[in-house]
Amino acid sequence: GQNIDQPTEMTATEGAIVQINCTYQTSGFNGLFWYQQHAGEAPTFLSYNVLDGLEEKGRFSSFLSRSKGYSYLLLKELQMKDSASYLCAVRSSGGYQKVTFGTGTKLQVIP
Amino acid sequence: DTAVSQTPKYLVTQMGNDKSIKCEQNLGHDTMYWYKQDSKKFLKIMFSYNNKELIINETVPNRFSPKSPDKAHLNLHINSLELGDSAVYFCASSRTSGGAPRQETQYFGPGTRLLVL
Repeated sequence: GQNIDQPTEMTATEGAIVQINCTYQTSGFNGLFWYQQHAGEAPTFLSYNVLDGLEEKGRFSSFLSRSKGYSYLLLKELQMKDSASYLCAVRSSGGYQKVTFGTGTKLQVIP
Repeated sequence: DTAVSQTPKYLVTQMGNDKSIKCEQNLGHDTMYWYKQDSKKFLKIMFSYNNKELIINETVPNRFSPKSPDKAHLNLHINSLELGDSAVYFCASSRTSGGAPRQETQYFGPGTRLLVL
């Protein structure tokens, strides 16, 4: 099975940097996704990591350490519109690979 | 140019009724999913179909029956609705390939907000 852990809530200031952590335990690993979900909307894809290291995409970066079962999402130059839930999701390996979502981290950006 | 669409967007119904939710994707994907997101915002997989074939069936009451008439459609029928079925149901799709896993990113529909009274 899979177990995914994220902080429930975080608050950060506009213009600052925030790091959202995700730890996972899985019987087979084949990649980790980060999704953003604004209140009342559908999740949208942010990033995907399958190898160790940092992937940067504009203001957002995602890091993965497979040996530690750990990932983080880094948001720079925070904007008010970044207030949303951030979902960590792990894909299992083998056969049709199921994606399991964490409970999400609700980020509030304050002025 | 909606990629993944669901109908209806809102559904309010009485306990014991039977209802259906429809999902369509125009992305040319071969895999479709149903997720349930409860009041605590936990997004949980219910079913997945690949090329109209059921490949993931989580522990879901058999009152829930998915149907995939073709690769672009995945409908969800719910019998004898219960209060605990109230949630947001998301449809998603992806392209399953033997190549770059990044291609298998899931694209979500707007959700169907189901309220059972």
